[in-house]
Amino acid sequence: DTGVSQDPRHKITKRGQNVTFRCDPISEHNRLYWYRQTLGQGPEFLTYFQNEAQLEKSRLLSDRFSAERPKGSFSTLEIQRTEQGDSAMYLCASSLVVSEPYNEQFFGPGTRLTVL
Amino acid sequence: AQSVSQHNHHVILSEAASLELGCNYSYGGTVNLFWYVQYPGQHLQLLLKYFSGDPLVKGIKGFEAEFIKSKFSFNLRKPSVQWSDTAEYFCAVSLRDTDKLIFGTGTRLQVFP
Repeated sequence: DTGVSQDPRHKITKRGQNVTFRCDPISEHNRLYWYRQTLGQGPEFLTYFQNEAQLEKSRLLSDRFSAERPKGSFSTLEIQRTEQGDSAMYLCASSLVVSEPYNEQFFGPGTRLTVL
Repeated sequence: AQSVSQHNHHVILSEAASLELGCNYSYGGTVNLFWYVQYPGQHLQLLLKYFSGDPLVKGIKGFEAEFIKSKFSFNLRKPSVQWSDTAEYFCAVSLRDTDKLIFGTGTRLQVFP
């Protein structure tokens, strides 16, 4: 399967614990995006990278959230001191910047986080 | 702040019925418009997109959407739905100066044989 992959697919944690998610984009895709989706809502943008540079962060991304893409390939999203409100599906997407005006984003299966 | 509204949260149809899902966005500048679909147990995938040119765009599986700039709308249509169209449908917008997608809340479509 050459699509976007995410690991783990499910994570259950206790409030206050730290969690880290991984996303592997489609090979050679230079942009990588993180979104969060809660029940009954559409995905909400969190942040995105072009290669290893983080180009934009949402105000939704509190200080407890940090994302990295150190070598411009896979990315990690870490949540420190998890809260029950962090329970959501965390989606990763990737795209290949070829030309404007848009770059199609391909989504992964998501990581479902449950904070008890 | 930019937003996307999907008026229908849950739509139930019989096979062969026609479908129209509403989508309105609030942004005065130039936008790219998308419909994504999520079939049960599968990833979000692109159904169709509009960024310029003919405001009537055709996507996969017989879907089409019409961009009406004056109404800030991008409604999704299909003349005759099939049971396999059962899925959740998301309208999304991206602004020309940024790459992030702004999604609506989604419409759950159930098609009965």
